[in-house]
Amino acid sequence: EIVMTQSPATLSVSPGERATLSCRASQSVSTNLAWYQQKPGQAPRLVIYGASTRATGIPARFSGSGSGTEFTLTISSLQSEDFAVYYCQQYNNWPPRTFGQGTKVEIK
Amino acid sequence: EIQVLDSGGGLVQPGGSLRLSCAASGFTFSSYAMSWVRQAPGMGLEWVSTITGRGDTYYAGSVKGRFTISRDNSKNTLYLQMNSLRAEDTAVYYCAKGIDYRLDSSPFSSWGQGTLVTVSS
Repeated sequence: EIVMTQSPATLSVSPGERATLSCRASQSVSTNLAWYQQKPGQAPRLVIYGASTRATGIPARFSGSGSGTEFTLTISSLQSEDFAVYYCQQYNNWPPRTFGQGTKVEIK
Repeated sequence: EIQVLDSGGGLVQPGGSLRLSCAASGFTFSSYAMSWVRQAPGMGLEWVSTITGRGDTYYAGSVKGRFTISRDNSKNTLYLQMNSLRAEDTAVYYCAKGIDYRLDSSPFSSWGQGTLVTVSS
């Protein structure tokens, strides 16, 4: 089973600043890596897939990079609606499809 | 508009059974792999099960032998039959649709609103 490790657990950022979230896989997942955003009481929402492709309706301030075992989600200028928990997920080697434990992006 | 609407959650005693449903619309349901993902209270996301368009099924180790995923393409509906339920199965269960019909394992682009399953005596 591939273990996904996200860091940091919590990221405190001021509105308008850049946020950088990391995700590491225990073995290579190529670029089969997705990022999801989840707000309290809501279902997750796909943000990035294929490591760097934005999902439909996702603003350009969201970008993803990486391949193999190291991945990054960057939010270039945080807006109020971006404060949420972000999960990475690998879909390269399955079952199981594994998620990271999440990074909470909170207002500083 | 693509919609997936999950239902069927509730309170059940340990050892009991429950069946979740997910009604889909707005896409060719039979072509897509469909999945269940759960989230225990205050915890992260956990993949539970996937059924491909061909009907192949896959399970997380924690539910294998207890849960059964199925689909009725004539009704555009996905199911999760949960037997021998345990306290640790308590979670919000989401049905989810893959983004690409060509891939059995593709990211989840559409999610249900979630249905809460509580296993407690």
